[in-house]
Parts: sequence; C-alpha cells; structure tokens
Amino acid sequence: DTAVSQTPKYLVTQMGNDKSIKCEQNLGHDTMYWYKQDSKKFLKIMFSYNNKELIINETVPNRFSPKSPDKAHLNLHINSLELGDSAVYFCASKKGRGTGELFFGEGSRLTVL
Amino acid sequence: GIQVEQSPPDLILQEGANSTLRCNFSDSVNNLQWFHQNPWGQLINLFYIPSGTKQNGRLSATTVATERYSLLYISSSQTTDSGVYFCAVQPNAGGTSYGKLTFGQGTILTVHP
Repeated sequence: DTAVSQTPKYLVTQMGNDKSIKCEQNLGHDTMYWYKQDSKKFLKIMFSYNNKELIINETVPNRFSPKSPDKAHLNLHINSLELGDSAVYFCASKKGRGTGELFFGEGSRLTVL
Repeated sequence: GIQVEQSPPDLILQEGANSTLRCNFSDSVNNLQWFHQNPWGQLINLFYIPSGTKQNGRLSATTVATERYSLLYISSSQTTDSGVYFCAVQPNAGGTSYGKLTFGQGTILTVHP
C-alpha cells in the first residue's frame, strides 16, 4: 500500500505541450504539497493545499496550476511546457496545517524535449 | 528566509566506516527532518527530530535547536547507505509557515565495498 502515490512516474514530452501529474495519499492527511527537484538535486516547494484550500503559493510561473479536488488528491497541471521545466516533481503530505512530519511520493520525472 | 547549510557536500567511505553529517540552520525551527534519497530517487524519511536525540538501527540523529544545528550519525556504513542525505527545516514562524520545509543542498554519500 503506497502512502503517497504519483502518476505518471516518467513523462517525456515536447516543448509547448500541456501535461498533468496526479498525486493521491491514503494517510488521511490534511495538507499536501508539490516540490520541484532540479538537476542539481535542490528541492524547493511550489504549492501547498490544506483541505482543498491553497495555503502556499511560491514564486512559480502561472503556467503551473495546482488543483485539489479533495484532501486526498493534489494534481499539478503545466501549460506550454518549456525546457527549463524538466525536473523531478515530488508530492508530499502531512497531518494538520502547522508543524509535523512530511511524507513524500516517489517523484515524477518530467523531461521536456 | 531561513538558510540551511549541510556539510560535507560529498563523502566517500569504505564499508564499515562511521560518519557524521551536519546541518546548520539560520533561525529557530519547529520541525527538522532528515531524508535519504536513494539511487532510485526515492526520498526516505529517516528522522523527524525538531529537538533531542533519536536512534534507528545504525542511524541516529541529534538536534540542538538552541544552537541551530543537527547531526546525523551513520555507523558501520553499508553500500546501501549510498545516496544523498537531506536536512529540511520548517521555521518557527508563529503558525504561518504551514509545514513548509526548506531543504539544505544535501550531502552525497558514496560507500565502497
């Protein structure tokens, strides 16, 4: 039973395309996140939702749009993909809104050609 | 924002050796986690340790929050310990940080047989 699962795990696409990555957690957590890991392995937060409410929105191009249909799901849609969007995108979740332990999914490696 | 610095950036060990990884942070925190990113890219939770000392098998961690650092000890290292070790912190921002973790740049550990 995977606690935080992401699909797809690998995504190869052309510049200019639109793509989505889906995330689901079965931990009963309230807060979910998207992090981006660049080619230098640096991890940076992008967005966070708590019970379907957007609570963290870092400086990210508006081509990236998160969507949370319910507290167990958080999707990431990317429009007009650019070469620089190539990265590994990690979903994470935690209980509650404040402090607490984060758990990460396995990552989705996006390659833009 | 909070700064997180990990040292050393790279570490090469022979199997069986012990090592200590350090994480310094620039402000008070109410969450600190250590992760291991294995060669397959998965982020594995090692410790949730905002303060104090914890042990899990060959690994242990200590966080001295008042002095703004944490240490991860690996004893009797094995080749499977290879990968990148990340420290991540959540600043003590009065409830407005929403569980947002800021990551260090990581320590790349290579254990040779």
